[in-house]
Amino acid sequence: ETGVTQTPRHLVMGMTNKKSLKCEQHLGHNAMYWYKQSAKKPLELMFVYNFKEQTENNSVPSRFSPECPNSSHLFLHLHTLQPEDSALYLCASSPMFDTDNYEQYFGPGTRLTVT
Amino acid sequence: TQLLEQSPQFLSIQEGENLTVYCNSSSVFSSLQWYRQEPGEGPVLLVTVVTGGEVKKLKRLTFQFGDARKDSSLHITAAQTGDTGLYLCAGGLGAQKLVFGQGTRLTINP
Repeated sequence: ETGVTQTPRHLVMGMTNKKSLKCEQHLGHNAMYWYKQSAKKPLELMFVYNFKEQTENNSVPSRFSPECPNSSHLFLHLHTLQPEDSALYLCASSPMFDTDNYEQYFGPGTRLTVT
Repeated sequence: TQLLEQSPQFLSIQEGENLTVYCNSSSVFSSLQWYRQEPGEGPVLLVTVVTGGEVKKLKRLTFQFGDARKDSSLHITAAQTGDTGLYLCAGGLGAQKLVFGQGTRLTINP
């Protein structure tokens, strides 16, 4: 497996469900990100992790809970979501945090539908 | 307020034509990147430009970073159907934070 992988690729959940999204990067990177992509809106940065430590929480509601056990894995735990949370959730990684290299490598995303 | 404005938002042209997509901002960026995204997939990095006035070429694609590092353009020569996709520009703001434009959805018709 190479690059950035995400599972599941598609998820349908009810508003009372609890589910988790998983991201794994095989690039040896140290920073990982969660983004939300909704129709007709730019990519929205949700969380940033650098060497497993959360460095950014972009005013994300508490029904989204990230977890980064190591530099290769990132989870997004979901509970009591709303229909407006339906979107494509993208994970990304980048090589180093404290450099001018902003290149990010994205996974294929999880298409989430909240019913 | 959109930090990065892309134009046009939608563009549909015939194969073989040339096109230019713009990415504008009032903010100065340390770097600017262009990504291409296909349906059901994540964005794929095409290029990074870091110096004001920099021009980079990737086969039929030419990327330019404005002298003041506030804007960028992507020019495609002799477009092909395989160029169809969503083109995103993203500006580096510091601490590994990228801000994205809303994208240009490009359709190349055979």
